[in-house]
Amino acid sequence: EVQLVESGGGLVQPGGSLRLSCAASGFTFDSYAMSWVRQAPGKGLEWVSVISGSGDKTDYADSVKGRFTISRDNSQNTLYLQMDSLRADDTALYYCAKGYGNHFVSGSYRGSFDYWGQGTLVTVSS
Amino acid sequence: HLVLTQSPSASASLGASVKLTCTLSSGRSDYAIAWHQQQPEKGPRYLLKVNSDGSPSKGDGIPDRFSGSSSGAERYLTISSLQSEDEADYYCQTWGTGIHVVFGGGTKLTVL
Repeated sequence: EVQLVESGGGLVQPGGSLRLSCAASGFTFDSYAMSWVRQAPGKGLEWVSVISGSGDKTDYADSVKGRFTISRDNSQNTLYLQMDSLRADDTALYYCAKGYGNHFVSGSYRGSFDYWGQGTLVTVSS
Repeated sequence: HLVLTQSPSASASLGASVKLTCTLSSGRSDYAIAWHQQQPEKGPRYLLKVNSDGSPSKGDGIPDRFSGSSSGAERYLTISSLQSEDEADYYCQTWGTGIHVVFGGGTKLTVL
């Protein structure tokens, strides 16, 4: 059974940093792309970032590029999101999602997401 | 810049069928999309993928009541024999060469 469990959320001041983790199990972790998707309170889903199975390819939404860094530790079956220079509009529930495959073309992930975690809440406020 | 457009809300009666629509922005009629369901206070769940030729690919354990189809730039999710637990937000999502992953704004389905 595929399981994705996010952790690391919390309250942080504007300009601060936070690192999210996603522990994965039930599938061959390094064979699949992994992604972060967020949902601001009362809003829809917003894609944040994706990383290839080997970790050599990454892509970011324009809203977080240069501030967030996605990474993975395939020996620990764990996905990370380092979030720096946090702003109030980064406040959201952050979901980890498993890629349907691991197909990247010209730096862009080409595929959907077939499993999701339950999310971890990040609140940016003074 | 690729945009996915969904109606903000839809409703249908218990036991009836409903067809939700996701429209790809102009010139993108060959793109596949995926449908995800988000029940209240839960994480999203992958339902199925719809290719431009309408052929679907379902997620694990998704009932046959959920089906996908396609016509031009429109992608559809049809839910038959509506049950109370189908009351949820439904999001379409797509991808492509040179574009980021994109989600539609979501449709809130109410089961009457």
